[in-house]
Amino acid sequence: DGGITQSPKYLFRKEGQNVTLSCEQNLNHDAMYWYRQDPGQGLRLIYYSQIVNDFQKGDIAEGYSVSREKKESFPLTVTSAQKNPTAFYLCASSTPGLRGGELFFGEGSRLTVL
Amino acid sequence: AQKITQTQPGMFVQEKEAVTLDCTYDTSDPSYGLFWYKQPSSGEMIFLIYQGSYDQQNATEGRYSLNFQKARKSANLVISASQLGDSAMYFCAMREGIVSGGYNKLIFGAGTRLAVHP
Repeated sequence: DGGITQSPKYLFRKEGQNVTLSCEQNLNHDAMYWYRQDPGQGLRLIYYSQIVNDFQKGDIAEGYSVSREKKESFPLTVTSAQKNPTAFYLCASSTPGLRGGELFFGEGSRLTVL
Repeated sequence: AQKITQTQPGMFVQEKEAVTLDCTYDTSDPSYGLFWYKQPSSGEMIFLIYQGSYDQQNATEGRYSLNFQKARKSANLVISASQLGDSAMYFCAMREGIVSGGYNKLIFGAGTRLAVHP
């Protein structure tokens, strides 16, 4: 089945540590995205990538980094510079299509900083 | 200014009844797209329906329809014949401009939590 796989589902981190969230898709989509969701709030865009080896900052990129070495993969690193990293992280992909190029989402990764 | 506003933090509906979830948006771009997503407790975002700014008719997808009032800048989601499985968070989102370069940056509202009662 085609889809987006995020791992791990739950992650605990000590303050000062970097952590990397994995996102893999087998939908053959060019565009991929990372969103952050906080309780009671909508999703906010962290980074997005249109093609391999290219990515752009979203609205809240500070303290995060990404890479796009393969079309299928778009990992997100939450660095120690991110002041409030506890959140729910969602990865998505898209391709132009009939339904407005809708975003397909993974099941998310919940990061808790201890 | 908020680009997407969902004024109802929570809504209750009786099973089999219809419910309307409100969404207003703000953009000066004549080309835009409006989306609704459902987020069950599992966390995954599920696409429900899409409306383009130039679409003449309101979008429908099964039990979901979008009441698009362009002059009022509103894009309300109507769920007919509610089911218990409809209990979830619902998010309205907007893309400003056309899909350019193959990517689709969406701006999301804060969401509405819908509870369907038997």
